[in-house]
Amino acid sequence: EIVITQSPATLSVSPGERATLSCRASQGVSSNLAWYQRKPGQAPRLLIYGASTRATGIPARFSGSGSGTEFTLTISSLQSEDFAVYYCQQYNKWPPLFGQGTKLEIK
Amino acid sequence: QVQLQESGPGLVKPSETLSLTCTVSGGSITNNYWSWIRQPPGKGLEWIGYVSYSGSTNYNPSLKSRATISVETSKNHFSLNLSSVTAADTAVYYCARNSGNYGLMLYYFDYWGQGALLTVSS
Repeated sequence: EIVITQSPATLSVSPGERATLSCRASQGVSSNLAWYQRKPGQAPRLLIYGASTRATGIPARFSGSGSGTEFTLTISSLQSEDFAVYYCQQYNKWPPLFGQGTKLEIK
Repeated sequence: QVQLQESGPGLVKPSETLSLTCTVSGGSITNNYWSWIRQPPGKGLEWIGYVSYSGSTNYNPSLKSRATISVETSKNHFSLNLSSVTAADTAVYYCARNSGNYGLMLYYFDYWGQGALLTVSS
């Protein structure tokens, strides 16, 4: 069974700086990886699919990279609205599996 | 813009059946696949299963056949029943729309509801 590991669990970054979040799969998942943002009381939002394709309406400061087992979500210049919890999800093998999440907090 | 809204009782007793409904607005339920996903307190997200607009279903084996998902296209909603619940089923339950390659069962989730907290307690 595939295991999805996100790191770090919590990331403290100042507004305007770059944030780099990691997602690792225990087996190769090709480019079948998505990233989501979740804020308290709001619906989770799809940010990235296909490891690097931004979803509709997602700002260009969000970018995804990687393939196989190592993936990265980069937020180039953090805005106040970007502080949230981020999840990755593999969909290369059934059933779809999520990581445990990275909480991005204001430093 | 597609919007999803979960509704349910909030509290269910152990051994009973949990029932949730997801109402889709801003778009049709037809020609899409729809999933339920949950997150227990302090744990990660877990995909429960999906239903297609035609009623075909697929479930996560971790639920051990306790889950049943159905669709009612005339009402533009779909529902989750989870039988024989225990405290371990306490979670925020999300409904979501599948996107990707259904034929290859490769899908992610492009629209989500805000989530509904279900607590299992006597």
